[in-house]
Amino acid sequence: KNQVEQSPQSLIILEGKNCTLQCNYTVSPFSNLRWYKQDTGRGPVSLTIMTFSENTKSNGRYTATLDADTKQSSLHITASQLSDSASYICALGRGSTLGRLYFGRGTQLTVWP
Amino acid sequence: EAGVVQSPRYKIIEKKQPVAFWCNPISGHNTLYWYRQNLGQGPELLIRYENEEAVDDSQLPKDRFSAERLKGVDSTLKIQPAELGDSAVYLCASSPRGSGMGGTEAFFGQGTRLTVV
Repeated sequence: KNQVEQSPQSLIILEGKNCTLQCNYTVSPFSNLRWYKQDTGRGPVSLTIMTFSENTKSNGRYTATLDADTKQSSLHITASQLSDSASYICALGRGSTLGRLYFGRGTQLTVWP
Repeated sequence: EAGVVQSPRYKIIEKKQPVAFWCNPISGHNTLYWYRQNLGQGPELLIRYENEEAVDDSQLPKDRFSAERLKGVDSTLKIQPAELGDSAVYLCASSPRGSGMGGTEAFFGQGTRLTVV
């Protein structure tokens, strides 16, 4: 079964601190892995996209890593800001059903001042 | 450039009533998706269009849900009749081509929050 599991379910950190979110998947065959940020009441916005040949991708203070062997990915947020408070969702593209993305439930991040 | 536009933003209806959602994708994007997102969950694909053709509708509950994409541009998603369990956010997204392919970006609209009472 094609599944995407994220941890933790929720996380609270203080402004300026770093954090790391985890994504484990069983989606196969792998095509690509994405991290999205979803603010409350908004649609998801793409942060990073990684294909099989990439094991790290950065977008400003966001850095995603991918280990295709262990089927794990992480999203590291550096020097968090209040505006980082959102749900962060991991999504997998599957090679045999091109066009479909499989989403995790997301990690709800809250940044406190 | 305008992003993906959806309307309405919010809709409250009584159960058994029909409801329709509208989506205008980014200009030039051939691929259009409808996703449903329940509270605390990730989006789940309902249907994917390549131009006018529905190429993946395996997750669409066809007894009550229908969708169309006339002329390969705008799309509507309809539910008739609505049930209490249909309460969710309905997201539309578009991409130049299938976002499962390589690094193709998918852009989401703000969604329509449906509440069935």
